[in-house]
Amino acid sequence: EPEVTQTPSHQVTQMGQEVILRCVPISNHLYFYWYRQILGQKVEFLVSFYNNEISEKSEIFDDQFSVERPDGSNFTLKIRSTKLEDSAMYFCASTGSGELFFGEGSRLTVL
Amino acid sequence: EDQVTQSPEALRLQEGESSSLNCSYTVSGLRGLFWYRQDPGKGPEFLFTLYSAGEEKEKERLKATLTKKESFLHITAPKPEDSATYLCAVLETSGSRLTFGEGTQLTVNP
Repeated sequence: EPEVTQTPSHQVTQMGQEVILRCVPISNHLYFYWYRQILGQKVEFLVSFYNNEISEKSEIFDDQFSVERPDGSNFTLKIRSTKLEDSAMYFCASTGSGELFFGEGSRLTVL
Repeated sequence: EDQVTQSPEALRLQEGESSSLNCSYTVSGLRGLFWYRQDPGKGPEFLFTLYSAGEEKEKERLKATLTKKESFLHITAPKPEDSATYLCAVLETSGSRLTFGEGTQLTVNP
């Protein structure tokens, strides 16, 4: 069964460092997303991406965040200068026709 | 602003004891309501999408229903492996984001 894959599964970084989280969406999907979940809190939307551009972003997705589809298979989330409050699980998701499928997540710990 | 409220926050059942989880929502226009299952440390696993009031969908011991203001996830004769957090999310007609509720943490004891 096709699935969304994410790497790394866990990353520990120092405050102020840049982090890139990687995702391989399901191959025939055209819409891609990033969500995050702070420990014990609900899943929150960050950004949606379609046709090589951002289609919607939340208030959380400020200038420190960026997304890119560098080739035909990868979708990345870059956090330019990490803060302590960026510590969370980051989920990539993709859809082709309505049902949104999530990856297993990348746990980011900022020290 | 979209609002999604799930109740109860936590639910403990004995194996075989059927129950229902509630998701109430407030949106200007509903494109779809989604149910997911989330195990600890894992990503949400898709269960159902409901698009219009009156719609019902079933999968094994789970059945989801939708009205104009809320959705129910009915669990019939649950087993311990059904223990997880169940998430409800709505997709508005304008926009592409899912808005999630806080989830219901279900524990099924053998």
